[in-house]
Amino acid sequence: SYEVTQPLSVSVALGQTATISCGGNNIGSKNVHWYQQKPGQAPVLVIYRDNNRPSGIPERFSGSNSGNTATLTISRAQAGDEADYYCHVWDTTTACVFGTGTKVTVL
Amino acid sequence: EEQLVESGGGLVQPGGSLRLSCVASGFSLNSYWMHWVRQTPGKGLVWVSRIKSDGTTTTYADSVKGRFTISRDNAKNTVYLQMNSLRAEDTAVYYCTRDNDWYFDLWGRGTLVTVPS
Repeated sequence: SYEVTQPLSVSVALGQTATISCGGNNIGSKNVHWYQQKPGQAPVLVIYRDNNRPSGIPERFSGSNSGNTATLTISRAQAGDEADYYCHVWDTTTACVFGTGTKVTVL
Repeated sequence: EEQLVESGGGLVQPGGSLRLSCVASGFSLNSYWMHWVRQTPGKGLVWVSRIKSDGTTTTYADSVKGRFTISRDNAKNTVYLQMNSLRAEDTAVYYCTRDNDWYFDLWGRGTLVTVPS
């Protein structure tokens, strides 16, 4: 089965840039989606199809995907960005895979 | 406002059954594939099952195949998850989520299912 790995945690200084990786074999050939989940809340879509932002998501959130790594970038990090972040791909049309999740801490 | 609201969770003994419901409001369910995703407390997201917009196609994770059944009633704007032969490892928050072209653009708040070991 397809596996997708993320760092367990990422720390970022207030106002700086955080990057969260999502690694998988040839993941660049797949569409990658990203979700933000704050404690006690449901996930929220922040990036879809590699680099598209849903309405209401700040421009500070961006994504890229190439080779074996997809990346979520949070620019000008704010305290409100503290959350768990999950990447999501479909390995085949029936195999839905989530990444292991990354806890982002804003210092 | 578009919304998904899950219900039906609770404490159930091993081997028991529960039926979860997910009611949609603010949009018509019949245009979308719908999914169930679960999350063990403190752990990551795990996909459980999906159902096509017209209910004709369903898919399951291997871990629940043969025990869980997803269904829908578009007239009631509701998706269901019938869970039988429950195990301790099924303990999780179960989320209902809407599929918008292979990504999940709307999530419910979840319902907690607890199966003691």
